[in-house]
Amino acid sequence: QQPVQSPQAVILREGEDAVINCSSSKALYSVHWYRQKHGEAPVFLMILLKGGEQKGHEKISASFNEKKQQSSLYLTASQLSYSGTYFCGTPNSGYALNFGKGTSLLVTP
Amino acid sequence: GAVVSQHPSWVICKSGTSVKIECRSLDFQATTMFWYRQFPKQSLMLMATSNEGSKATYEQGVEKDKFLINHASLTLSTLTVTSAHPEDSSFYICSARYDPVGLSYEQYFGPGTRLTVT
Repeated sequence: QQPVQSPQAVILREGEDAVINCSSSKALYSVHWYRQKHGEAPVFLMILLKGGEQKGHEKISASFNEKKQQSSLYLTASQLSYSGTYFCGTPNSGYALNFGKGTSLLVTP
Repeated sequence: GAVVSQHPSWVICKSGTSVKIECRSLDFQATTMFWYRQFPKQSLMLMATSNEGSKATYEQGVEKDKFLINHASLTLSTLTVTSAHPEDSSFYICSARYDPVGLSYEQYFGPGTRLTVT
């Protein structure tokens, strides 16, 4: 089942912060986050495996609330290179990922 | 590490012909590979799960006789689009499950193949 992402799109000025949310109606055991730039394949950002887990990658971090069946991706002090579409993915029983519809992020100078 | 390649990156073919897309894990062995399709401005949709040495598992609505998947080795999976039609035009992306110690769930994506059927 496809997770639900919000917001659909966001425009930031360089240096501003953003939060992207991902929620599921089914129990979540892990959440994967990817960023995709136009015409390219998704690039792995991070995976969260445990409820309450938080991870960071440069100025991008994420949290996972297992009980609420949701995860959030935090982008702080955004850079122009952060522009792209962010997808969260949740694995099925065969480890394939069901992706949300994506959140389009544009960082402007 | 964990690099996945795809070939070709871009292909144009005539309606009715077949196209083969290769997906390789370059620096690791992948017992499981996945094939996704992405239409413009849409999310990635899983087509099939490919396990080395066994038949692929297709998602509902994906024609297994049209999209032939072969996972002959731990580093290579192929997707053949048979009798392609313009509606098959899309961005096809493979991913490989990176699991060196049996605990990881990370997946790494290939660069994708853009197929245009005329």
